[in-house]
Amino acid sequence: KQEVTQIPAALSVPEGENLVLNCSFTDSAIYNLQWFRQDPGKGLTSLLLIQSSQREQTSGRLNASLDKSSGRSTLYIAASQPGDSATYLCAHCMNTGFQKLVFGTGTRLLVSP
Amino acid sequence: GAVVSQHPSWVICKSGTSVKIECRSLDFQATTMFWYRQFPKQSLMLMATSNEGSKATYEQGVEKDKFLINHASLTLSTLTVTSAHPEDSSFYICSARVGGVKADTQYFGPGTRLTVL
Repeated sequence: KQEVTQIPAALSVPEGENLVLNCSFTDSAIYNLQWFRQDPGKGLTSLLLIQSSQREQTSGRLNASLDKSSGRSTLYIAASQPGDSATYLCAHCMNTGFQKLVFGTGTRLLVSP
Repeated sequence: GAVVSQHPSWVICKSGTSVKIECRSLDFQATTMFWYRQFPKQSLMLMATSNEGSKATYEQGVEKDKFLINHASLTLSTLTVTSAHPEDSSFYICSARVGGVKADTQYFGPGTRLTVL
């Protein structure tokens, strides 16, 4: 059974810091890996999607990397802002016909001004 | 583009009643929709995969007779929680997968908060 773990579970930083969120998965046979943001009581916003053949993706201040061999992905947030405060979820897409997503446990980020 | 809506956004019901939640893809056709459940401070757990015109595929441990899923069109899937009990109180989120070249991406609805008294 695929398991996805995120470390740390919670993170509190002052504004302006660069930070790294970690995601590890047990089964390397993934189709892709995605990072999402979830605000309290809200749905999910897709941030970055990395195909299994790719090593990283970048969008603005966000950079996500993927290392299939070690079963790890990282989300790098540069120059963090209070508006970045949210829960960040990684999810990997199973390589099956339905392409199901298996979500990680999440990292709750608080960026203080 | 690629907007998914859910209705209602929140619902409170008495124990024993049934609740229907709708998931709609507003500007695209979704061949596959997914239903997730999220308990407080926990991650999303996939409940079932719904394909238009066929029976839903349920994850292990999810009662198909309790959580009825209907995917009657390419833009609408419904989840009915039958005979709801307090332990069914949760945040239910749907997602829709776009076919074709963007088949990798799932677009998520805003979620439905269900509280069973």
